[in-house]
Amino acid sequence: DQQVKQNSPSLSVQEGRISILNCDYTNSMFDYFLWYKKYPAEGPTFLISISSIKDKNEDGRFTVFLNKSAKHLSLHIVPSQPGDSAVYFCAASVGGAQKLVFGQGTRLTINP
Amino acid sequence: DSGVTQTPKHLITATGQRVTLRCSPRSGDLSVYWYQQSLDQGLQFLIQYYNGEERAKGNILERFSAQQFPDLHSELNLSSLELGDSALYFCASSAYSYEQYFGPGTRLTVT
Repeated sequence: DQQVKQNSPSLSVQEGRISILNCDYTNSMFDYFLWYKKYPAEGPTFLISISSIKDKNEDGRFTVFLNKSAKHLSLHIVPSQPGDSAVYFCAASVGGAQKLVFGQGTRLTINP
Repeated sequence: DSGVTQTPKHLITATGQRVTLRCSPRSGDLSVYWYQQSLDQGLQFLIQYYNGEERAKGNILERFSAQQFPDLHSELNLSSLELGDSALYFCASSAYSYEQYFGPGTRLTVT
């Protein structure tokens, strides 16, 4: 039973445009959501997070939106840069200092 | 650099063998988590330790075990290795917060 799903295995975006990565979840107990970025041969790097009491969180070029009624979150990157090319994972947890449940990842490619 | 270190970076071993993966968390972090990433798979939670005690277990096989030592470093022991155990193994640490910081991983290849 996959509780966190990223239905797009890959996404290709032109440099300078907006990248939108999507994630759906099924467990209504999740109260915190995170996005991680992963380059090959490296560990995941924390990008941005959002609590279930909010619907938007911004950090520089990265914005995460949460739609609790739809059990859907998205990560917006604008403007997209070549260095953003990586695999992006969304993750969710119930409570703090608890295990993270990850989606399968979306490979983002930024084209010059 | 997340501040989490893992050794070794690569490990190649034969079926039936036993290996130990090591993780040092970020300074001050009491929680350590182990995750497995198989080919084309997302990260699967294995086990969590908090200040030396097991806190939560995920999809960890009985052939696998872990511990966290008084200096807070952790070891993941994998025994009776099978081909299907070949994967990336990540360690993460956190303070009492939601964000977890990951190490660079250990790539295990079982031949």
